[in-house]
Amino acid sequence: QQKVQQSPESLIVPEGAMTSLNCTFSDSASQYFAWYRQHSGKAPKALMSIFSNGEKEEGRFTIHLNKASLHFSLHIRDSQPSDSALYLCAGTGGYKVVFGSGTRLLVSP
Amino acid sequence: DMKVTQMPRYLIKRMGENVLLECGQDMSHETMYWYRQDPGLGLQLIYISYDVDSNSEGDIPKGYRVSRKKREHFSLILDSAKTNQTSVYFCASSRDSQDTQYFGPGTRLLVL
Repeated sequence: QQKVQQSPESLIVPEGAMTSLNCTFSDSASQYFAWYRQHSGKAPKALMSIFSNGEKEEGRFTIHLNKASLHFSLHIRDSQPSDSALYLCAGTGGYKVVFGSGTRLLVSP
Repeated sequence: DMKVTQMPRYLIKRMGENVLLECGQDMSHETMYWYRQDPGLGLQLIYISYDVDSNSEGDIPKGYRVSRKKREHFSLILDSAKTNQTSVYFCASSRDSQDTQYFGPGTRLLVL
């Protein structure tokens, strides 16, 4: 069964810094990988997804998938206080999507 | 407008009472989910439904059951609620089981 591990558990970065969040998974056969973001008191919301090895950029956010090393990452350029949230990594496992336990990001002004 | 709704948003029950949480979606998604999330933690999958009357246990199904009689509705039932079922419950839907999930706003349940 797919296992998804996230690191670090929590992170504090200054406004304007680059933030890097990491995820490792156990099953390289997975087809779908995604990052979700959850602001405090709100529902999780899909941020970006990717289906094959490589990189994808949308605005300040970049995701990178390397199936050979079982590694999936999210990078946030010019981090803003509004980026403070719980970030959840997700990957397919069997017939469902499996979530990691999350990284709590705090961007300090 | 793609939307997942949950009712009620807040609920207080006494231990031993029955609880019904309801979820609806307007995207004709085949797959629906119920998760619980405890403070500071990630999402724990309770049940997944692949379509009407096609439900499977998730990682923590004990103490819960579900019902899906229409594609757009998915209910979570707690028979004789326990205090350790106090949590925030999220419903989600997706086109299929390996696609982006859309989450409802959540139901905060307190069992006294």
